[in-house]
Amino acid sequence: DTEVTQTPKHLVMGMTNKKSLKCEQHMGHRAMYWYKQKAKKPPELMFVYSYEKLSINESVPSRFSPECPNSSLLNLHLHALQPEDSALYLCASSKNRVSSTDTQYFGPGTRLTVL
Amino acid sequence: GEDVEQSLFLSVREGDSSVINCTYTDSSSTYLYWYKQEPGAGLQLLTYIFSNMDMKQDQRLTVLLNKKDKHLSLRIADTQTGDSAIYFCAEGSSGNTGKLIFGQGTTLQVKP
Repeated sequence: DTEVTQTPKHLVMGMTNKKSLKCEQHMGHRAMYWYKQKAKKPPELMFVYSYEKLSINESVPSRFSPECPNSSLLNLHLHALQPEDSALYLCASSKNRVSSTDTQYFGPGTRLTVL
Repeated sequence: GEDVEQSLFLSVREGDSSVINCTYTDSSSTYLYWYKQEPGAGLQLLTYIFSNMDMKQDQRLTVLLNKKDKHLSLRIADTQTGDSAIYFCAEGSSGNTGKLIFGQGTTLQVKP
């Protein structure tokens, strides 16, 4: 089973709100990723966690705060977002420690709209 | 730097074969990937090829890799309307960062 789940599917929030995106996988994968995707563009890497530790932060603004409570869960906490942050947020996971040879499996994404 | 390029659009008739092309720059890439994204959905891993292979076939999908020219192609046989989607080519970034370098995506339109 190569399933990554994400909740919620859609989220609308104001610029002063605090919300969280959730991602879960039960494949025993030890690397998890957050991507941001604008319409008709490829995904852009935001964060990588390897063995529950933050491994890569692609210079993402601090209004995005990732958290990996355990090896199956990945959260993205959102605060004081801007309308330009509206996008599809994708979670992915891969089997081992972060490696360019490990296949990444993506979730269905959360469609975020910031008003 | 690392770069992956794809043509942006391809239109075919149902039942025809589709060929989506991709070029990449990082000769140290170990794996190259094809992902499919339907409207409003996440990325679905279609197939991948290891850099020491020339070809990989999986049912209707055939991947060809020309490592000398750094050219990757995805052939879909007997294309169906359900194949209409955006197809992303991606290579694993060098340095074991786990970062995937994506192409811009090719929109495949299948006409009945």
